[in-house]
Amino acid sequence: NAGVMQNPRHLVRRRGQEARLRCSPMKGHSHVYWYRQLPEEGLKFMVYLQKENIIDESGMPKERFSAEFPKEGPSILRIQQVVRGDSAAYFCASSPLGQVAKNIQYFGAGTRLSVL
Amino acid sequence: GESVGLHLPTLSVQEGDNSIINCAYSNSASDYFIWYKQESGKGPQFIIDIRSNMDKRQGQRVTVLLNKTVKHLSLQIAATQPGDSAVYFCAEKDSAGGTSYGKLTFGQGTILTVHP
Repeated sequence: NAGVMQNPRHLVRRRGQEARLRCSPMKGHSHVYWYRQLPEEGLKFMVYLQKENIIDESGMPKERFSAEFPKEGPSILRIQQVVRGDSAAYFCASSPLGQVAKNIQYFGAGTRLSVL
Repeated sequence: GESVGLHLPTLSVQEGDNSIINCAYSNSASDYFIWYKQESGKGPQFIIDIRSNMDKRQGQRVTVLLNKTVKHLSLQIAATQPGDSAVYFCAEKDSAGGTSYGKLTFGQGTILTVHP
């Protein structure tokens, strides 16, 4: 059973470009979470999605950031017009419906975004 | 705002010793806590969890203790091994709004270094 898959592992963008980060949850998991981690800091919650629905986006910046989890395919975190401050590691986690109450989230290896 | 923090940012131990990593939290409404281990270049890996109706839970070589009176959480690792070297994060479930699922709030992390 494959774990949470994220791609790309590393992404380099110039200021003003768009970054698209992909996350395929573990098989059977219907809940996806995105977190951002700055160097030497803990993970900061961004958004929580179920299939075709955004449940909690309280951690998402108001502009340039968006997320989706379509009926088919991976979840996408999209950052438009990237700035240097967007450079960070972005982690996706998933949890199965049956463990929602306990909320054990299983993490992918992350995407390291570098903005030049 | 609510936060989860750690007392010690770094911890160095000798192989075979027991390790104790501490965590303070401030949200008295938190009802679920998780410890994650993050190795360099990887995503957080689930270690052990505990619900607020418990004060102790044991796993394989690890024990989590919860003291709700002082809002303190600790992770004990028995017979620490070099492979245990990593950053350890505590995380709490945010119960705002009464939801049984949702975002995790992470602490800053403790770097554990195990010397052979």
